[in-house]
Amino acid sequence: AQSVAQPEDQVNVAEGNPLTVKCTYSVSGNPYLFWYVQYPNRGLQFLLKYITGDNLVKGSYGFEAEFNKSQTSFHLKKPSALVSDSALYFCAVRDTGRRALTFGSGTRLQVQP
Amino acid sequence: NAGVMQNPRHLVRRRGQEARLRCSPMKGHSHVYWYRQLPEEGLKFMVYLQKENIIDESGMPKERFSAEFPKEGPSILRIQQVVRGDSAAYFCASSPAGTSEGSSYNEQFFGPGTRLTVL
Repeated sequence: AQSVAQPEDQVNVAEGNPLTVKCTYSVSGNPYLFWYVQYPNRGLQFLLKYITGDNLVKGSYGFEAEFNKSQTSFHLKKPSALVSDSALYFCAVRDTGRRALTFGSGTRLQVQP
Repeated sequence: NAGVMQNPRHLVRRRGQEARLRCSPMKGHSHVYWYRQLPEEGLKFMVYLQKENIIDESGMPKERFSAEFPKEGPSILRIQQVVRGDSAAYFCASSPAGTSEGSSYNEQFFGPGTRLTVL
């Protein structure tokens, strides 16, 4: 069975500071990992993915994530936060052989001006 | 290129009524997924369909829920005899066919969701 944990319900950061949103996963095979962002009353927008290759993945809006196989983590990062980054962030995993995504419970990012 | 379309955006039903949620995938996408999001929770997978086939329904409740993706027209998620616990946001996602690792088929593109309220 596949699972995802996002240990922080909320992350607060000041504008201009770096941000990290944590994610750990569990799969039986090779993981396919994703980050999505959700704005109020909207659907999910794809940010980035790790399938294979370089452990550092760059995505939309200046976000990046680092895949760490030994720690089974896929933390989302951004060097300089913007107020407009405030939203709900979801980490998701897909095991090889399945198409269904398993999502974490979400982390609310609040960027203060 | 229009994204994933869902309608209605908001649906209000009384207990015992039926709810029909529609999803039109992105152009060129032949795979559709339905997810449910309860308030303050993450999305939970319900069902994965290709045209005229249910591929994975491991997340579907055993009773009252059904899904289809006909040869022509949108995918439909149908909930019979709704109860208050069915109140949630229902999201549809789509992806293209493909088997190559790293190809865009790995991403799922989400619609805006249908918010179902059961009175």
